[in-house]
Amino acid sequence: QLQLQESGPGLVKPSETLSLTCTVSGGSISSSSYYWGWIRQPPGKGLEWIGSIYYSGSTYYNPSLKSRVTISVDTSKNQFSLKLSSVTAADTAVYYCARSMVRGISDVWGQGTTVTVSS
Amino acid sequence: EIVMTQSPATLSVSPGERATLSCRASQSVSSNLAWYQQKPGQAPRLLIYGASTRATGIPARFSGSGSGTEFTLTISSLQSEDFAVYYCQQYNNWPLTFGPGTKVDIK
Repeated sequence: QLQLQESGPGLVKPSETLSLTCTVSGGSISSSSYYWGWIRQPPGKGLEWIGSIYYSGSTYYNPSLKSRVTISVDTSKNQFSLKLSSVTAADTAVYYCARSMVRGISDVWGQGTTVTVSS
Repeated sequence: EIVMTQSPATLSVSPGERATLSCRASQSVSSNLAWYQQKPGQAPRLLIYGASTRATGIPARFSGSGSGTEFTLTISSLQSEDFAVYYCQQYNNWPLTFGPGTKVDIK
């Protein structure tokens, strides 16, 4: 059974870079035809797609965050990562990683990790 | 960017009753529409994709319909575990976009 687990600092200072990793277990991140993505949810608010990476390495980002986001894959560790630069309080959220079929059908999710941006 | 809207924002329903949730896209997304359920403190769970296909393990009381710009999620007989927030999401175009959610609570 495929499982995803987010990890990373729970507190990031303003203007710094938020870095999170999603570890995939029970399956290979190199499996064809899957996308691996990040979605976030600010406190009390809805879901916002951040970006996705295809198994081939192609990346897709939300234009509202594109200038600050990098998503990458480490197949040797069966992990994919999110980097979000120049963070502000508005980036405070629960960050989820997810596997998607066919671009955006997210069928497996991590439990989420809370990231707070504060000095 | 395709903007997704959902109505109502909150739906109060008694257990055993039928719930009908609506989702609208600002332009056609064909049938590339998914529904998710989210309970407090939990990750979203995929319910429906392709506008009407139930995901693995989803009970038959959940059904989806629609295409183009208008979509509906119906829960035929609400169970206690169904009280949650429901989000629609289009995956026809990048960027992927979610609706603001409909909260289904107990009447």
